[in-house]
Amino acid sequence: NAGVTQTPKFQVLKTGQSMTLQCAQDMNHNSMYWYRQDPGMGLRLIYYSASEGTTDKGEVPNGYNVSRLNKREFSLRLESAAPSQTSVYFCASSAGTENTGELFFGEGSRLTVL
Amino acid sequence: GENVEQHPSTLSVQEGDSAVIKCTYSDSASNYFPWYKQELGKRPQLIIDIRSNVGEKKDQRIAVTLNKTAKHFSLHITETQPEDSAVYFCAAFPVMFSGGYNKLIFGAGTRLAVHP
Repeated sequence: NAGVTQTPKFQVLKTGQSMTLQCAQDMNHNSMYWYRQDPGMGLRLIYYSASEGTTDKGEVPNGYNVSRLNKREFSLRLESAAPSQTSVYFCASSAGTENTGELFFGEGSRLTVL
Repeated sequence: GENVEQHPSTLSVQEGDSAVIKCTYSDSASNYFPWYKQELGKRPQLIIDIRSNVGEKKDQRIAVTLNKTAKHFSLHITETQPEDSAVYFCAAFPVMFSGGYNKLIFGAGTRLAVHP
């Protein structure tokens, strides 16, 4: 019963390098999200996908791109990493139905950009 | 868009005392208000939520109250225990039934420490 799985758990990048964070859920959820968590700033939404084939910007989308590869997978790409993108990244999913709004989070990916 | 403010940022209590965390929101259209708990090094997990048609909801030692007129909601933890020590996040946003997603906006978090 994996839930939401994201990889890698830790990554160190140099400024200007690119990387992709992978996320997969096995709960047949419609909606998926990427958040970043910084000290004192809570969880800020980067991008979300309401359903397979759709993506939209959240609060802090600059410097990121996403792909909803299929219903299970939602990836986050940093094309040219900057020190300001040092953060803990959480992928999440939700059923996306009227009866429940619960977000299920992955374990997080700690990214350091030097 | 929605903006959520959360207070206090840190809270220290003795075991057995009560703890209260307060949040205010800006968008009067918001009608869904969850609370998440994040233990050190772990993922956030939903502990309780409330919708705008309800003024209060309880689940054992935790309760949430909502005042839509004043646009604020609070988390109450009674008889606190050391395992309640964590960061708590409130959130708010309209539930988009037709869109099928929750674009939750989170508060900055409250670090609760319960001392034995």
